[in-house]
Amino acid sequence: QVQLVESGGGVVQPGGSLRLSCAASGFTFSSYGMHWVRQAPGKGLEWVAFIRFDGTNKYYADSVKGRFTVSRDNSKNTLYLQMNSLRAEDTAVYYCANKWDFDYWGQGTLVTVSS
Amino acid sequence: DVVMTQSPLSLPVTLGQPASISCRSSQSLVHSDGNTYLNWFQQRPGQSPRRLIYKVSKRDSGVPDRFSGSGSGTDFTLKISSVEAEDVGVYYCMQGTQFPLTFGGGTKVEIK
Repeated sequence: QVQLVESGGGVVQPGGSLRLSCAASGFTFSSYGMHWVRQAPGKGLEWVAFIRFDGTNKYYADSVKGRFTVSRDNSKNTLYLQMNSLRAEDTAVYYCANKWDFDYWGQGTLVTVSS
Repeated sequence: DVVMTQSPLSLPVTLGQPASISCRSSQSLVHSDGNTYLNWFQQRPGQSPRRLIYKVSKRDSGVPDRFSGSGSGTDFTLKISSVEAEDVGVYYCMQGTQFPLTFGGGTKVEIK
């Protein structure tokens, strides 16, 4: 069965960096695009980024453009989100989801930006 | 950006009664490939979101048939024919037709 397991969350100071990972299994990872979506505490869902199956095209929400970078390693079945220049408003649970239509979601990893 | 507007914000429902959630987009969600990329997600308390419906009306495997999606263009609806206790949670619509992808604000379904 499809499994998406996020990791790498934690507490970081404003201006700091963090790299999230999403380990995928149960489907042909290298054949599908992947998304990152976040949810601030008590708030709704916000799409963050998408990367095509081969990594050639990447798309970002305006709120993270220039600060976050999505990447993937198809040999390791792993998706990444490098987050730089973090702000308090980036505090959220970060989910990865597979395929264009968000077939499956991981359990999420919490990122807290606070001094 | 495409703005997704859901209503109502909160929906108290009696067990066994129907429920309906509206989702309107600020632009047509018909893609140049002919598909309409409108999804519905359910998020139960303390859980990750789960997709219920994709491309307006295609129900996911394992989703009870009391859930149905309909609509076209800019106007979409999620219906629950007979609400059960396990349906409590927040429901989100989302458009995948145009970047940036956008979600509706969510509708909280609760039991009266």
